[in-house]
Amino acid sequence: QKEVEQDPGPLSVPEGAIVSLNCTYSNSAFQYFMWYRQYSRKGPELLMYTYSSGNKEDGRFTAQVDKSSKYISLFIRDSQPSDSATYLCAIDAGGTSYGKLTFGQGTILTVHP
Amino acid sequence: DSGVTQTPKHLITATGQRVTLRCSPRSGDLSVYWYQQSLDQGLQFLIQYYNGEERAKGNILERFSAQQFPDLHSELNLSSLELGDSALYFCASSHGTGSYEQYFGPGTRLTVT
Repeated sequence: QKEVEQDPGPLSVPEGAIVSLNCTYSNSAFQYFMWYRQYSRKGPELLMYTYSSGNKEDGRFTAQVDKSSKYISLFIRDSQPSDSATYLCAIDAGGTSYGKLTFGQGTILTVHP
Repeated sequence: DSGVTQTPKHLITATGQRVTLRCSPRSGDLSVYWYQQSLDQGLQFLIQYYNGEERAKGNILERFSAQQFPDLHSELNLSSLELGDSALYFCASSHGTGSYEQYFGPGTRLTVT
């Protein structure tokens, strides 16, 4: 079993839709939860991070963590064609492993006009 | 532009050969991370260096090695190359000893024929 599972999609939605991206993880020691966005032919870039259960909002993006279920989500409201990219969840155990990120497989998202 | 540079952009080589990938971190960043991204394995952490010292190791093969030089640039050496080593290799950097906030370079696409 992989430490982080993410549905690879692909996911295709119309402009303006609400998008939900999800990951599950197996190790309860994980402490930090991130979402990275990767455009085609580019390196990943950090989109959002959180280290506690609950919601964190940044503009059209909301990251949600449920540590009891080992489940993390990213919601995108009013999705735009420019949001078309691969979204990768990433998890960090912290402590001596701080910075050693474990990534999900990535979900390919296409937002069409 | 993340400020992390990687050379070369593309590399095509034959099985059994050895190659060196180069990375320059963002100005001021002391940590360098190497990742491998392939279709079947996703984005996987290989190794981290902090200020010239190896700090963390992931699923890095014995045929692979890395180092970080006094000017903080890093090199990833891949030897006895196999077809399965074909992948995108990313370098990322961060300021401290370890961070989930990593800045990724554009990657080097390695093709082994």
